[in-house]
Amino acid sequence: ETGVTQSPTHLIKTRGQQVTLRCSSQSGHNTVSWYQQALGQGPQFIFQYYREEENGRGNFPPRFSGLQFPNYSSELNVNALELDDSALYLCASSLGAGELRYTGELFFGEGSRLTVL
Amino acid sequence: AQTVTQSQPEMSVQEAETVTLSCTYDTSESDYYLFWYKQPPSRQMILVIRQEAYKQQNATENRFSVNFQKAAKSFSLKISDSQLGDAAMYFCAYRSAFNAGGTSYGKLTFGQGTILTVHP
Repeated sequence: ETGVTQSPTHLIKTRGQQVTLRCSSQSGHNTVSWYQQALGQGPQFIFQYYREEENGRGNFPPRFSGLQFPNYSSELNVNALELDDSALYLCASSLGAGELRYTGELFFGEGSRLTVL
Repeated sequence: AQTVTQSQPEMSVQEAETVTLSCTYDTSESDYYLFWYKQPPSRQMILVIRQEAYKQQNATENRFSVNFQKAAKSFSLKISDSQLGDAAMYFCAYRSAFNAGGTSYGKLTFGQGTILTVHP
């Protein structure tokens, strides 16, 4: 069983630039969610995708956007980067809530560390 | 909106001893999931234990057990026989068991975390 993988692991951008982070979900999972984790803090929910549709969003501005592909992998895009966007971005996958083996558990990747200068 | 509070920013324990991490939460929902996740310096969140709110029995996983008090909205984690590998940041997290409407469907709400240090 392949776990959740994210790329890149580290990246540095400058203010105003755009970034794309990628995530491959765990085998068999059709739901992907993204979290932002500032240093020393708990992760904050950005949004969730289920079967290629966004079906949940946290308090993040529209410059945070995403995609989910037919193979359930996902991208997080952030436009017009700000210094406060510096954080660890975590991707998590799970089964959908209606799935037979749904347990509510999220399976996380190792994250992408974004630094905005 | 649900909130999760971990009131202990840091805890320490001697190897082989027992430690309890505290977590309280606020919700108006009757059915939900509670989790403890561990995040070592490698960054990956690893599930330690989960509890379904409709189950009265406290969850246990080997050396890890919880004290789930639904009325008090409390969900503490007990680690017995602590090992050096238990050292990490621990997060308590809440997830609705159903679509509560609005746009927050499916999200995990995390506490601020507790850094656990294990002394040899």
